Amino acid sequence: DTGVSQNPRHKITKRGQNVTFRCDPISEHNRLYWYRQTLGQGPEFLTYFQNEAQLEKSRLLSDRFSAERPKGSFSTLEIQRTEQGDSAMYLCASSLVLAGGAGEQFFGPGTRLTVL
Amino acid sequence: GDSVTQMEGPVTLSEEAFLTINCTYTATGYPSLFWYVQYPGEGLQLLLKATKADDKGSNKGFEATYRKETTSFHLEKGSVQVSDSAVYFCALNRDDKIIFGKGTRLHILP
Repeated sequence: DTGVSQNPRHKITKRGQNVTFRCDPISEHNRLYWYRQTLGQGPEFLTYFQNEAQLEKSRLLSDRFSAERPKGSFSTLEIQRTEQGDSAMYLCASSLVLAGGAGEQFFGPGTRLTVL
Repeated sequence: GDSVTQMEGPVTLSEEAFLTINCTYTATGYPSLFWYVQYPGEGLQLLLKATKADDKGSNKGFEATYRKETTSFHLEKGSVQVSDSAVYFCALNRDDKIIFGKGTRLHILP
């Protein structure tokens, strides 16, 4: 399977714990995006990378959240001191963006986080 | 800021019925518009897109036309199947960030 993969698929944690999610994009894609989807809502943009550079962060991304893409391939999203309001589906997407254009974003299956 | 509004669900139809899911947007300029679909247990998939006014996107029997006069991008299908049961999201692309509507859950009864 050469699509976007995310691990773990499900994570249950207690309030105050740290969690880390991983996203493996489609191999030739240079952009990687993180979105968050809460119950009954559409996904909301969190942040994105061009290769290893983080280009933009949403105001939704509090200082408890950090994302990295150290080698321009896979990415991790860490949430420190989790809160119940962090419970959501975290989606990763990737695309190939060439000069002057925007590529189609391909989404992974998501990681569902439940904070007790 | 930019936003997308779509009809609330769930929408329940019988097989072979005609489907319309309304979507309107608020945006500066003319962003690309999309419909995504999320089947049970699967990730979001791009269903169709339109990149400029009056463009019609189509795929798998679904169609949507980019109407700048009414700032709308309604999704239609002439004859739905049970396999079309899913959640449908209308969306636009602003500076390579996708802005989604809240989604419309569609149930098709055999």
